Amino acid sequence: KAGVTQTPRYLIKTRGQQVTLSCSPISGHRSVSWYQQTPGQGLQFLFEYFSETQRNKGNFPGRFSGRQFSNSRSEMNVSTLELGDSALYLCASSLGLGNTGELFFGEGSRLTVL
Amino acid sequence: GEDVEQSLFLSVREGDSSVINCTYTDSSSTYLYWYKQEPGAGLQLLTYIFSNMDMKQDQRLTVLLNKKDKHLSLRIADTQTGDSAIYFCAEISASGTYKYIFGTGTRLKVLA
Repeated sequence: KAGVTQTPRYLIKTRGQQVTLSCSPISGHRSVSWYQQTPGQGLQFLFEYFSETQRNKGNFPGRFSGRQFSNSRSEMNVSTLELGDSALYLCASSLGLGNTGELFFGEGSRLTVL
Repeated sequence: GEDVEQSLFLSVREGDSSVINCTYTDSSSTYLYWYKQEPGAGLQLLTYIFSNMDMKQDQRLTVLLNKKDKHLSLRIADTQTGDSAIYFCAEISASGTYKYIFGTGTRLKVLA
């Protein structure tokens, strides 16, 4: 079956702009979570959605937001971009039912802010 | 607080064993995980261990869990160049529903 798909794979923005990233989970997975990966900070949890509801949120400013649609696809949005937002943004999907909890990751969207 | 710590780098020779260490803080975590990230790719689950287990072996991988010290380790036997990657340990935080806490990742470099 198809894996987790993230679009776009690469993008370049300038400070002050906003960006929307998209994630299509594995079919049947109802949980989608988002992570920011930077060389110095490792993997930082942004938020997690299950059946269109945000279940968990990390410690990021309000400029970072997300949503999940009825087909489980998810988007995250970053407004008023800052240089420090340059990172690899990873999406992961799972059944979300608390069994072994395996996350299936996409290849990420690499955002560069100039 | 929630924090998972790992050393940043490890370099080994091909054929040797690699041991990657991790310390975590949430003693109520049910599962602990090891994920692998190859260059240009997302993370893939390598193995996981229940919190009531001390050890789990899976082919070349051995996971050891010391709950008293909140210490998790991953041993890779007969390390190959294809094992070069970043390895993340992770726990599911009991303080929230289904919230993973990842370590900073250990970059393993295997020298031929």
